[in-house]
Amino acid sequence: DIQMTQSPSSLSASVGDRVTITCRASQGISSDLAWFQQEPGKAPKSLLYAASILQSGVPSNFSGSGSGTDFTLTISSLQPEDFATYYCQQYNSFPWTFGPGTRVDIK
Amino acid sequence: QVHLVESGGGVVQPGGSLRLSCAASGFTFSRYGMHWVRQAPGKGLEWVAIIWYDESNRYYADSVKGRFTISRDNSKNTLYLRMNSLRAEDTAVYYCARGGSGLDSWGQGTLVTVSS
Repeated sequence: DIQMTQSPSSLSASVGDRVTITCRASQGISSDLAWFQQEPGKAPKSLLYAASILQSGVPSNFSGSGSGTDFTLTISSLQPEDFATYYCQQYNSFPWTFGPGTRVDIK
Repeated sequence: QVHLVESGGGVVQPGGSLRLSCAASGFTFSRYGMHWVRQAPGKGLEWVAIIWYDESNRYYADSVKGRFTISRDNSKNTLYLRMNSLRAEDTAVYYCARGGSGLDSWGQGTLVTVSS
């Protein structure tokens, strides 16, 4: 199985900050990577797929990059509604696997 | 607008069975692969299973293989998850998700609690 890791596991930031979250796969997954946002008590929301393609309706201050084993999610200017937990997920091979999550909270 | 509504969760004893349903609307259900994803209390997300749009293929997480069965009824726009031999570690919120551009749409989830 492909193992996914994320760093950091949590971070504190202020509104307007630039935030970068890193995701690493245990083996190459091409660009078969998605990012999700989950607010407490809510279902996950898809942000990006194919490593860098924004889902419809997702604000442009979210961006993704990477291929192979190393990926990043960047929030260019953190907004109040962006404080949440973020997960990466590979869909290159079954079983699909998620990273452990990165919690972004208010400094 | 894609709408997914899970149902069927509840409290079940260890070793028991449960069937979850996911009612889909707002899109052509029969054209999409569908997934189940779960989340134990206070934990991260775990992918559980996928079924192809035409039921031609199914894949499962190792943790549920042989105990859970994913199925669908395209005439009813409904996805199912039959869960047998339930264990305490199966306690989680179970989400159904559409396999479009990745897991692009999710339901609100249904809670399954395995406890005596």
